[in-house]
Amino acid sequence: QQQVKQSPQSLIVQKGGISIINCAYENTAFDYFPWYQQFPGKGPALLIAIRPDVSEKKEGRFTISFNKSAKQFSLHIMDSQPGDSATYFCAASGAGGTSYGKLTFGQGTILTVHP
Amino acid sequence: GAGVSQTPSNKVTEKGKYVELRCDPISGHTALYWYRQSLGQGPEFLIYFQGTGAADDSGLPNDRFFAVRPEGSVSTLKIQRTERGDSAVYLCASRRDIHSSYGYTFGSGTRLTVV
Repeated sequence: QQQVKQSPQSLIVQKGGISIINCAYENTAFDYFPWYQQFPGKGPALLIAIRPDVSEKKEGRFTISFNKSAKQFSLHIMDSQPGDSATYFCAASGAGGTSYGKLTFGQGTILTVHP
Repeated sequence: GAGVSQTPSNKVTEKGKYVELRCDPISGHTALYWYRQSLGQGPEFLIYFQGTGAADDSGLPNDRFFAVRPEGSVSTLKIQRTERGDSAVYLCASRRDIHSSYGYTFGSGTRLTVV
């Protein structure tokens, strides 16, 4: 069962533009929603994360928007730069019991930022 | 160490052979996770350890896969009778403990190719 759906699969943005990636989840027990950035040949690196008690979190050019009722969250990259070109993954995990910390990932979005 | 170290970085093996993949977590991190990432997909959970014990091995695909962490630090993922479908990047991640509010730190992975 695919529990985290991510879109789009790929995204092309001009330098300085806004990149938006969306995710939807099904499991209401999820309570931690991170975004990871992955460059070729490297492991995913944590970019930013949010918990469902807030609707938005901003760190520099990166913002997560969270809609608990719709079970959706999104990543916004402001002033996108060519160095942001990478694959982005949303993920989710639940608290408590033996599932704590186990992440369910989306399928990934390949972002290309043209100079 | 400064980061999560995985060895080897690449492994090519023949179908039916046995392989071992090693993960050295960040020093002092008690929680260790293994994921598998197929081409063009997000990482999929395999198993995680809190200390020496496997707290959740529900993601292991079948009994050909086994992982150990005998001293609560280094972990080894073992795959018996490898199949071509096992070809993927195997990622290891660690964090301070399963209740840590910080995200994982992933290693760069071992790319396994079964020919």
